[in-house]
Amino acid sequence: DTGVSQDPRHKITKRGQNVTFRCDPISEHNRLYWYRQTLGQGPEFLTYFQNEAQLEKSRLLSDRFSAERPKGSFSTLEIQRTEQGDSAMYLCASSLEGGRAFFGQGTRLTVV
Amino acid sequence: GENVEQHPSTLSVQEGDSAVIKCTYSDSASNYFPWYKQELGKRPQLIIDIRSNVGEKKDQRIAVTLNKTAKHFSLHITETQPEDSAVYFCAAPLTGTASKLTFGTGTRLQVTL
Repeated sequence: DTGVSQDPRHKITKRGQNVTFRCDPISEHNRLYWYRQTLGQGPEFLTYFQNEAQLEKSRLLSDRFSAERPKGSFSTLEIQRTEQGDSAMYLCASSLEGGRAFFGQGTRLTVV
Repeated sequence: GENVEQHPSTLSVQEGDSAVIKCTYSDSASNYFPWYKQELGKRPQLIIDIRSNVGEKKDQRIAVTLNKTAKHFSLHITETQPEDSAVYFCAAPLTGTASKLTFGTGTRLQVTL
C-alpha cells in the first residue's frame, strides 16, 4: 500500500497519560499535515510540515501537543497529560507542495 | 475570520436523482477547492477538486462549479447511487496559506432506493 499510513488505528488511554501517534506519508510527498476530527465535524487543522520544518501550528494546539518530522519522512504527534477532551480521530495527510492532499485512515483516540 | 460554510447539513435523495451541495468561503485569495467523501469509519477521500482559473470541472457523475465573485462553489452528483451515501466535505485554503485547508461542517447524503 503506497498511501498514507497511520499507527496505531485505535488507542485507549487513561486521563493523564502520554500518547504518541505515527504517520508515514506517501513517499515523494514533502508536505505532511495533522488534523483532528470529532464526531459530526470536518477535519480541523492542527499543524503541517514541509520536509522536516514545522511551518504552521493552529492556535487550537495547546502546549501539551507536539509534532515532529525529524528526517522529513514519517511524523509523530505526541499528546502529553491527555484529557477527555482530546478524544477524537487524529488524521494525517500528505501532499506535494501545492498538490492534492491525501489522508491516512486515522488514529482514533479514546481518553477514559 | 477564516470560514467555510456548507449547506445543507443533511440531504436525502432518491436513487437516480441529482444532489447538490454548496459551500461559501471568506478569503478572496483562496485558489483551490477540493471535495472529500467520507464513509463511516473511513478516511476522507478526495473525489474532485477545482482551481480558481476554471469555473467548472466534471468527472463522470461528479462536477464542481466555482463562482469566485460570489465566493462559493458547489458539488453536483448526477444519477445518484446507494454507494454515493456518505458525508461530503468541502474545503478551501484560508488566510493565504495554500496548504492549510479549512473544512466545511459536512453534508450527510443519503441515497434511498
